[in-house]
Amino acid sequence: GEDVEQSLFLSVREGDSSVINCTYTDSSSTYLYWYKQEPGAGLQLLTYIFSNMDMKQDQRLTVLLNKKDKHLSLRIADTQTGDSAIYFCAETREAAGNKLTFGGGTRVLVKP
Amino acid sequence: NAGVTQTPKFQVLKTGQSMTLQCAQDMNHNSMYWYRQDPGMGLRLIYYSASEGTTDKGEVPNGYNVSRLNKREFSLRLESAAPSQTSVYFCASSGRSDLNEQFFGPGTRLTVL
Repeated sequence: GEDVEQSLFLSVREGDSSVINCTYTDSSSTYLYWYKQEPGAGLQLLTYIFSNMDMKQDQRLTVLLNKKDKHLSLRIADTQTGDSAIYFCAETREAAGNKLTFGGGTRVLVKP
Repeated sequence: NAGVTQTPKFQVLKTGQSMTLQCAQDMNHNSMYWYRQDPGMGLRLIYYSASEGTTDKGEVPNGYNVSRLNKREFSLRLESAAPSQTSVYFCASSGRSDLNEQFFGPGTRLTVL
C-alpha cells in the first residue's frame, strides 16, 4: 500500500540482530502491526503496538514507534534461520473502518 | 480447530473462464476478508465482510464478486478471468473490532493464461 512503505530486502547473519523499518503517512493510526509470512503460507501476526506506546518487547522481538517521524521498526535479537521470511508492516485507522493497510513487505534472509 | 481454510490451493484458468474461490473459518469470527498478493505490492484488499449478510468493496474490487454465505463462509468469484488477475489470493478473518488481528488461510495461487 502506498501509505505504508518498507525496504524490499534485508540480509543478516545468524546470531546477529535484524532491524526492519517501516514508515507510514497517517498520524491517526490506532494500531501498528508486524506480520510474518513464511514461504508458501499465509500471514501470521507477530506483534503489534498501540499508537500511544513508543516501545513494546516480546521475547526476542522489540517494536519501536516514533510517532513524530511516523516510523516503526522491528528488531529481532539473535536472528535464527527460522526467521527467514517476509515481514509486513501494517496499520489500522478508525476512519478507514479499522481495515488493515499493508506495506509491500521486507524479505529477510538469514545466512548461517 | 482448522482456522481458515481455502480451496483450491492452485488453479490455472484461460482468459474468460470463471471460477469461485472458497474460504471457511471455524473461529466464529464476524469479519472476513479477501486479499490479493502481488510481488512487491504487499496485500491489497479486494472485498470484505464486516458481518454475516454484509459485504463492501476494498481497494481493488473490479473484476470480482463475493458472497458471505453464512458466518463461516466467504467466497470470491471471478466471472471472466483476465491475465491481470494472476496472483496469490488470501482469505482472512478477525473477531475483534478494535485490534484487527487477522487470521489468514494458506492462499490460492491462480494463473490466468
